[in-house]
Amino acid sequence: DGGITQSPKYLFRKEGQNVTLSCEQNLNHDAMYWYRQDPGQGLRLIYYSQIVNDFQKGDIAEGYSVSREKKESFPLTVTSAQKNPTAFYLCASGGAREETQYFGPGTRLLVL
Amino acid sequence: GQQLNQSPQSMFIQEGEDVSMNCTSSSIFNTWLWYKQDPGEGPVLLIALYKAGELTSNGRLTAQFGITRKDSFLNISASIPSDVGIYFCAGRNSWGKLQFGAGTQVVVTP
Repeated sequence: DGGITQSPKYLFRKEGQNVTLSCEQNLNHDAMYWYRQDPGQGLRLIYYSQIVNDFQKGDIAEGYSVSREKKESFPLTVTSAQKNPTAFYLCASGGAREETQYFGPGTRLLVL
Repeated sequence: GQQLNQSPQSMFIQEGEDVSMNCTSSSIFNTWLWYKQDPGEGPVLLIALYKAGELTSNGRLTAQFGITRKDSFLNISASIPSDVGIYFCAGRNSWGKLQFGAGTQVVVTP
């Protein structure tokens, strides 16, 4: 089946630790996105990539990093510089025209 | 900056009732999308709208792209318990950036 997978479902981070969230898609989409969701708020864009080996900062990129070495994969690293990392992280992908975006199941990150 | 306002924030309805929610923007959008999110899951695309005035249905769901291109609404007819969840609107501007509303929480009581 075609779709977007994210792993793990839950992730725990200790103080000062970097953690990486995985996002894979087999929809042959060019564009991929990372969003952060906090309770009672809309989705906020962290980073996006429109093509392999290229990515752009979104609205809240500080404390995060990404890579796009393969079309199918867009991992997100939450660095120790992100002081409030507890949130639900959603990965999305879209076609070249970016008219629609399709979401993965999400990863919930909790700080110990 | 651009503001995307979604209302209502939440609604409690009885099974069988119709539901209506809307999103308004201070700027023009080229695309409107409506998503539904179940607890702990990613949003699922319900309806996509690409032209001003467009009215599109998906089962019991109907959405319209406002003629001013600054608003959109979503209707759910004859609600059932599985309609519970958070409904998000999203609008894409001329720069291609997608902006999301804060969501409408729908609770359906039997």
